[in-house]
Amino acid sequence: TQLLEQSPQFLSIQEGENLTVYCNSSSVFSSLQWYRQEPGEGPVLLVTVVTGGEVKKLKRLTFQFGDARKDSSLHITAAQPGDTGLYLCADSGSRLTFGEGTQLTVNP
Amino acid sequence: DAGVIQSPRHEVTEMGQEVTLRCKPISGHNSLFWYRQTMMRGLELLIYFNNNVPIDDSGMPEDRFSAKMPNASFSTLKIQPSEPRDSAVYFCASSPFPGSGDGYTFGSGTRLTVV
Repeated sequence: TQLLEQSPQFLSIQEGENLTVYCNSSSVFSSLQWYRQEPGEGPVLLVTVVTGGEVKKLKRLTFQFGDARKDSSLHITAAQPGDTGLYLCADSGSRLTFGEGTQLTVNP
Repeated sequence: DAGVIQSPRHEVTEMGQEVTLRCKPISGHNSLFWYRQTMMRGLELLIYFNNNVPIDDSGMPEDRFSAKMPNASFSTLKIQPSEPRDSAVYFCASSPFPGSGDGYTFGSGTRLTVV
């Protein structure tokens, strides 16, 4: 059974700061997806990465997939209160398996 | 498209009662998933369907849980009898096909409270 570990579990920062959250897998990812979940809503897909070493950017968010396809990081530059939410990584094989997430709070 | 539609948004029921959660996937999506989210265990996959056929129900906690997909536009998750430990947010998600790079679209969830 694949285990996905995300760190840190909780992160509280001030507006304008940079941050990085991590996702590690006990086995190679089929492909990796990052989601953001806001209170009272379901997770929303941010990005899919497939190739080892791949880097994708989405505005102030940078996603990196490890060369061995067993880990990933999400970096946010100049965080804003609107970035607050639960960030989840997932292995998007035949069944979507989630990590437990990083709860990010960006204070104004 | 209205996205994945779940009903009800909130459900409060007494222990022992039957609970039915409903989901309408996005039209044209061939895969449907039921997840449960709790603080302790995060998002857990309960069951998923491809083309209305249950493929993997190994995440269903016990026989009190059952899921059906009678057609491509409707699915139900039933708990009978319900217990307090079933309290959680239940999400339905759909995707064009398993492992879709386009991602899975989630509904807004049903918050179930069993008292």
